[in-house]
Amino acid sequence: GAGVSQSPSNKVTEKGKDVELRCDPISGHTALYWYRQSLGQGLEFLIYFQGNSAPDKSGLPSDRFSAERTGGSVSTLTIQRTQQEDSAVYLCASSPGLAGDYEQYFGPGTRLTVT
Amino acid sequence: AQKVTQAQTEISVVEKEDVTLDCVYETRDTTYYLFWYKQPPSGELVFLIRRNSFDEQNEISGRYSWNFQKSTSSFNFTITASQVVDSAVYFCALSEANFNKFYFGSGTKLNVKP
Repeated sequence: GAGVSQSPSNKVTEKGKDVELRCDPISGHTALYWYRQSLGQGLEFLIYFQGNSAPDKSGLPSDRFSAERTGGSVSTLTIQRTQQEDSAVYLCASSPGLAGDYEQYFGPGTRLTVT
Repeated sequence: AQKVTQAQTEISVVEKEDVTLDCVYETRDTTYYLFWYKQPPSGELVFLIRRNSFDEQNEISGRYSWNFQKSTSSFNFTITASQVVDSAVYFCALSEANFNKFYFGSGTKLNVKP
């Protein structure tokens, strides 16, 4: 079956531009996570969506970062006025979100390069 | 605050050797979950195991085994008779009880040489 997909796979943008990164979770998964992985680093939690509940935005590094999830499915991570330190791989993961089943399925990531 | 430490940045072994990847965590929660993920060179993270804080039983799955010790806040991962295909970056992670946030270690890169 289809896994988590992300687009674009690579994005090069100029400093100061806005970018949108898209995540298509596995159908039926109610939980969705965004992470940032800088070169040689672990994953940094950004935001979590669970069903229709208010998202947990506590990991967003600044107010230039925002995310939404429409219809409980597709999610978009937006970075405004990009900076060079935003360069990283942005990973999305989804999970069934059911009691006892919170295994995360990761997408391939979007590699963002800010020049 | 929650924190996961993987002190080994990179490990190199020769095929068929056993190798243990260390993971130490910090949390004040009494209920939490621990995970291991594998990130092969292709890039996509793959779930390996989940453990809850109330289950300290060690687990074995084929060549993989995990040793969870609450007394030392450790959740170590051992690969027996390593193979070249085991070469990857391995991440240990901790989640809060409601799975709303995950804390990942910085990863250990395992190189298995033929």
